[in-house]
Amino acid sequence: GAGVSQSPRYKVAKRGQDVALRCDPISGHVSLFWYQQALGQGPEFLTYFQNEAQLDKSGLPSDRFFAERPEGSVSTLKIQRTQQEDSAVYLCASTAANTDTQYFGPGTRLTVL
Amino acid sequence: KNEVEQSPQNLTAQEGEFITINCSYSVGISALHWLQQHPGGGIVSLFMLSSGKKKHGRLIATINIQEKHSSLHITASHPRDSAVYICAVRRGSNYKLTFGKGTLLTVNP
Repeated sequence: GAGVSQSPRYKVAKRGQDVALRCDPISGHVSLFWYQQALGQGPEFLTYFQNEAQLDKSGLPSDRFFAERPEGSVSTLKIQRTQQEDSAVYLCASTAANTDTQYFGPGTRLTVL
Repeated sequence: KNEVEQSPQNLTAQEGEFITINCSYSVGISALHWLQQHPGGGIVSLFMLSSGKKKHGRLIATINIQEKHSSLHITASHPRDSAVYICAVRRGSNYKLTFGKGTLLTVNP
């Protein structure tokens, strides 16, 4: 596809469930970012990949959050034992090599009941 | 205090008005981004600035590095400009962006 895609677009989980959110970056894009956006707030950085290497995971809020990008393309953000405070929109963005412009996906809106 | 502050938080204008959205930051940066977010998610990058001024159509972005301040201007505003406008900064060579909370712009016909 031409842009960054994310799935599912909407996810409702019961507290305590595990969820997996998928990001398909633009083909050939080297860098991939995950962000969390709470209602009425700007996005907040979660983690950054360059190819398959996770270079920065300083924004992951707890050890319940885990991200991977095993083949340097598709990435999955996994949240274990979801809690209500995890409810947010999770955004993925990718960039081509040696550029700064981030291309964002539509996001996954996670609601934890 | 957040590293990136935007003002105003909300802005309502009539079609045709000149719009200014402000962004102040408290850290040294290597670049500043302006982004547009429509309801339902989709974020689009509008500008990336490290100095001076950029123009694209009816949008103009300026940055004053010494004053740690940037502005986004929209000339001849139109209802389709209604969106959240977000300022984000990049520090050094790290690609990580720090975002402001956004400014919700509503342009009425």
